[in-house]
Amino acid sequence: NAGVTQTPKFQVLKTGQSMTLQCAQDMNHNSMYWYRQDPGMGLRLIYYSASEGTTDKGEVPNGYNVSRLNKREFSLRLESAAPSQTSVYFCASSEFGSTPLHFGNGTRLTVT
Amino acid sequence: AQSVTQLDSQVPVFEEAPVELRCNYSSSVSVYLFWYVQYPNQGLQLLLKYLSGSTLVKGINGFEAEFNKSQTSFHLRKPSVHISDTAEYFCAVSEADSNYQLIWGAGTKLIIKP
Repeated sequence: NAGVTQTPKFQVLKTGQSMTLQCAQDMNHNSMYWYRQDPGMGLRLIYYSASEGTTDKGEVPNGYNVSRLNKREFSLRLESAAPSQTSVYFCASSEFGSTPLHFGNGTRLTVT
Repeated sequence: AQSVTQLDSQVPVFEEAPVELRCNYSSSVSVYLFWYVQYPNQGLQLLLKYLSGSTLVKGINGFEAEFNKSQTSFHLRKPSVHISDTAEYFCAVSEADSNYQLIWGAGTKLIIKP
């Protein structure tokens, strides 16, 4: 049982480059989330998808876009990367919004 | 919940000693409360949760937490820590009428001294 799988694990981008972070879950969860984790700031929600076909902005959506491709997959796109987007990105899923989150192992992104 | 405060960014403690990690939140409505643990270079995993009922909740690895509504606190405790408990611990809160979105504390690093 893989749980939540994120790819890639590491990425280095130059300012202005674009990339997509992939996330897939095999637990048949309805809700999926993208967070960023920065030292001393805990986790901040970028976007979430409460159910297949819906997406909503979280606390820090600027500079990002998302796609809920199907029930399993939820991708995060950086159209024009900036150094301020250097962070560790976590995808998570839950059965419903009130149930505990299951996290992937993260993507470490550096933007130079 | 408007905010979640974890009062200590780091807590050093000797192996086999007890530990308490503090979490306070601000909210005027019903809340759900969670503690997550993050081991080095891994994602977060649920340690324990309070949804309703008994205010003392037990989680994995011998941890427990007590919900105190009057103090708006949800402190995490373990009577005897082990070196394997070295990790960062995050408190999170969701309000019942907020689409269940979590508000996170900044985290507390538990450092176990041999």
